[in-house]
Parts: sequence; structure tokens; C-alpha cells
Amino acid sequence: NAGVTQTPKFQVLKTGQSMTLQCAQDMNHEYMSWYRQDPGMGLRLIHYSVGAGITDQGEVPNGYNVSRSTTEDFPLRLLSAAPSQTSVYFCASSKGLAGELEQFFGPGTRLTVL
Amino acid sequence: ILNVEQSPQSLHVQEGDSTNFTCSFPSSNFYALHWYRWETAKSPEALFVMTLNGDEKKKGRISATLNTKEGYSYLYIKGSQPEDSATYLCASYTSGTYKYIFGTGTRLKVLA
Repeated sequence: NAGVTQTPKFQVLKTGQSMTLQCAQDMNHEYMSWYRQDPGMGLRLIHYSVGAGITDQGEVPNGYNVSRSTTEDFPLRLLSAAPSQTSVYFCASSKGLAGELEQFFGPGTRLTVL
Repeated sequence: ILNVEQSPQSLHVQEGDSTNFTCSFPSSNFYALHWYRWETAKSPEALFVMTLNGDEKKKGRISATLNTKEGYSYLYIKGSQPEDSATYLCASYTSGTYKYIFGTGTRLKVLA
């Protein structure tokens, strides 16, 4: 199993550009989530999904869209990038829906918005 | 948004010392508490998932306890080694929310 994969690893955008961060898992996990990690802030939940076709907002959803058309994939879209979205983004997945099982994290995407 | 707090923020110990960290979380509607180990330039990796009050988990030299009534968990490392150097994160999962709230972590540095 590849586990949770994320692409790209690094990305530089200009303000106003859009892009999609890719996340995929091959463990047949129902729960998938996106976090951003900023210095001194810990991991903050952006969006999550409890299955194909079902998504919802986390703590910091503004400026981001998600969709979940398949169990495996959970892309994160930046609609119009802003410098405040400069961060490291982690995708995670879990077999359980009730918090009873661990989350597996991808390697992260480091995004810089100029 | 419910707050999860971790203390201390950072810690330096000598090789062989035992140490412990605290994670405080809201006790209302609590369902699960996760501990993760996060090495620099890597991804967080799960250490423990705890759900029951009074639960105690152990993995090698690392153990954790849980008090859901008062809303805290302790992580203990016995005989710290340089390879234990990492950031230790806890995350609280509240019943019915599908959301994990992470603390800001405790950064541990073990000096050889």
C-alpha cells in the first residue's frame, strides 16, 4: 500500500492564481481530511469528508473548496490564492468515522503564495 | 471551536531522563483522544488512540493515561533517547462532530 499520497510537494503561486492540491489513499478509508500547519498554530482542519459525495467544513474553510467523487481521492482547491494561504498542507485519512481509529497523514505540500 | 492545550511548549532533557507532557481538552461530549509523534520533515504518526476514562496505553518506553472527567491526558517517556526528539501532538475528537481539534504540540529535544 502506498498509504496517503499528496502532490505536489512544493508549489509557488502568485496572488489570485488557482490550483488544486491532490490527495489519494489506497486503504479504502471512509474519512479524509485536509489540515494546514502554520507556526505556533498547530494543525487546523480545513475540510473533511465521511465518504464519497459527502464533505463538510472544518475550522478554517474560507478560500478552499473540496469534493469527494471517489473513496480514494480528496482534492483541495484554492480558488484565488492569497498570501495568507502560505502554509504546509496535510491530507489525512482514517478507517473509522467516530474518532476511534488513528489518522494516517500524507507527506504534506508546502505552498507559498507571493 | 473547542480548545485543546498542550504543555509545556518545548522541553530539553538529557539522554536517560524520564519526562512527561500534558494535553488538556474539553470534557463535554468527549469521544476520543489521539497522540501523534511528529519528526521534523516528516508527517505525524499515530502513537495512541484512547477512548475510555482511566485508560492507559503503552508502546515500548512511551505510555499515556487518560482522564475524561477532568479533561486531561499525560504522555510519559521513560529513559529518553535522542531518537525520541520530535513534536508530540494530541487531538481531541468530540462525539458527533467528525472533527479533530489538535493542540499546538510539545517539542521535545533529547540531548546526548
